Amino acid sequence: AAGVIQSPRHLIKEKRETATLKCYPIPRHDTVYWYQQGPGQDPQFLISFYEKMQSDKGSIPDRFSAQQFSDYHSELNMSSLELGDSALYFCASSYTGQTYNEQFFGPGTRLTVL
Amino acid sequence: AQSVSQHNHHVILSEAASLELGCNYSYGGTVNLFWYVQYPGQHLQLLLKYFSGDPLVKGIKGFEAEFIKSKFSFNLRKPSVQWSDTAEYFCAVTTKTSYDKVIFGPGTSLSVIP
Repeated sequence: AAGVIQSPRHLIKEKRETATLKCYPIPRHDTVYWYQQGPGQDPQFLISFYEKMQSDKGSIPDRFSAQQFSDYHSELNMSSLELGDSALYFCASSYTGQTYNEQFFGPGTRLTVL
Repeated sequence: AQSVSQHNHHVILSEAASLELGCNYSYGGTVNLFWYVQYPGQHLQLLLKYFSGDPLVKGIKGFEAEFIKSKFSFNLRKPSVQWSDTAEYFCAVTTKTSYDKVIFGPGTSLSVIP
């Protein structure tokens, strides 16, 4: 079965650089979520999109922005990177037409900021 | 606001010992409950989930969990752990809203000694 795809899987950036993370949801899924997991921490919700509109917002820094495109894939744009942005970034997708709210997680993008 | 707590930050067991990881959630409405496992350096993997029906849920790798509504609990159990179960375990909750975010507990680190 198709799963959530994230690219790249690993990314190394310097401070103050920008980064773009991509997420391709499971086919037919209309909602995408982004989570950030710092070292030794639990995943924290950043932002979500339903049908290309922002549906919820968590603790996402103003330096970050995201969007969902017409093919439902999503991109997380991160500017002015800081050392503290080093984390594992998960994307998840779900289909609002399903009976239960279940999100399917991608493998994550590990971002290292030097 | 919803929240999830996990009873133990770090658990150390010998192989073949029984495991029980405690999880409690705080939310006034109906929830969906999950347990995820994260092996060192890897992504989240769903162990089991509860949406409705039988409160005793069986998952992969011999894990099971019991939902006790009156106690707002969803404890994870395994009768006999193996060294390969060494990992971080996250309890998580979503509401029944179709595109609501996942709230994770702080995680329990399990170390199984051969």
